[in-house]
Amino acid sequence: SQQGEEDPQALSIQEGENATMNCSYKTSINNLQWYRQNSGRGLVHLILIRSNEREKHSGRLRVTLDTSKKSSSLLITASRAADTASYFCATQSGNNDMRFGAGTRLTVKP
Amino acid sequence: NAGVMQNPRHLVRRRGQEARLRCSPMKGHSHVYWYRQLPEEGLKFMVYLQKENIIDESGMPKERFSAEFPKEGPSILRIQQVVRGDSAAYFCASSPPRQGANVLTFGAGSRLTVL
Repeated sequence: SQQGEEDPQALSIQEGENATMNCSYKTSINNLQWYRQNSGRGLVHLILIRSNEREKHSGRLRVTLDTSKKSSSLLITASRAADTASYFCATQSGNNDMRFGAGTRLTVKP
Repeated sequence: NAGVMQNPRHLVRRRGQEARLRCSPMKGHSHVYWYRQLPEEGLKFMVYLQKENIIDESGMPKERFSAEFPKEGPSILRIQQVVRGDSAAYFCASSPPRQGANVLTFGAGSRLTVL
């Protein structure tokens, strides 16, 4: 069964704007990760946040995790056309398996 | 240090034939994951393997699908008697042999088309 559910399913913004994507999950986790996928390609890891962390930054990315609400958000600041891609959250549980959500398709218009 | 290598990149099969997809993990990685993706959809978990062991195959259809990760050689995802509904992109990912926060490295995928 799948774990994460992202929303929105699709997001279209102008270059320079911020993009926020959300992810909800159902079971307890060890960590939550965000990945990016360009059309037709494999996924690329962006950032990992552990279950005992609340916020993490990496460049223009900011991730939050609320384990009480079983939700996470990914914020991309000052978006660029090159950020256009699908973004997936993935949850990792005790046995190391990794489950992905359906993704958010982000379009950044130049 | 090559990344995760999947082959073939594209595979065309007729209904009833067998499809074999191969995945060579990154050097030093002993965990392999297989996922299936339909166009414009997310990744559906299929199976998680370590060397010579299937850890979790809860996402694998009960019939026609099998996976292995032998002591030597690549991981193989095998689909017997393919049907049109098996047409999809199949992604393999690998991670290193440690517990806890494992980051997955993905291959470029194998795209199966069943005629």
